Amino acid sequence: GAGVSQTPSNKVTEKGKYVELRCDPISGHTALYWYRQSLGQGPEFLIYFQGTGAADDSGLPNDRFFAVRPEGSVSTLKIQRTERGDSAVYLCASSLSGVEQFFGPGTRLTVL
Amino acid sequence: SQELEQSPQSLIVQEGKNLTINCTSSKTLYGLYWYKQKYGEGLIFLMMLQKGGEEKSHEKITAKLDEKKQQSSLHITASQPSHAGIYLCGADSRGGGADGLTFGKGTHLIIQP
Repeated sequence: GAGVSQTPSNKVTEKGKYVELRCDPISGHTALYWYRQSLGQGPEFLIYFQGTGAADDSGLPNDRFFAVRPEGSVSTLKIQRTERGDSAVYLCASSLSGVEQFFGPGTRLTVL
Repeated sequence: SQELEQSPQSLIVQEGKNLTINCTSSKTLYGLYWYKQKYGEGLIFLMMLQKGGEEKSHEKITAKLDEKKQQSSLHITASQPSHAGIYLCGADSRGGGADGLTFGKGTHLIIQP
């Protein structure tokens, strides 16, 4: 694809519900990153995949957050029992060289 | 953990004027990245600096990493409306280039015609 794509672009859910956010990286990029950006803040690192495996998940805030990348391409970020504090823009990035991370447009999650 | 502080938080500059944005790290910078974000959009990579004293330029934007590798500056010459947006500095904690980045809060740049 031309760039990193993320779906949906917007997601509104109710407190306590389960959500899945999808990221399609640039074709051939082995590294994939998830970040969360709250209003007025810079992106906050969540998890990084190298291929199918999570190389670093130290940024996941708690066990309600989980991410997978089963075939080393598309990744899904899963949030269980959503809370109002989870409301943010979730950004995905992919990289081939490890130097430049190419970011998607993000998914804006709103938890009511 | 590494923290990045950006200054100023916001900046209003008349079109055609020069400006500088600073990024200061609490720890030694092994890789310093500058990104630009348009409101409501993803981040666009500008430049990456690794070596103390390194300076890179792209069009009218120049970024420098100081010798001690704890501070970087981004300088825009003859600003244009297209330069408006949020400028973010990001740091790579180990310098390998593959880790997740730690970002500052960003500097909001507004260009007045």
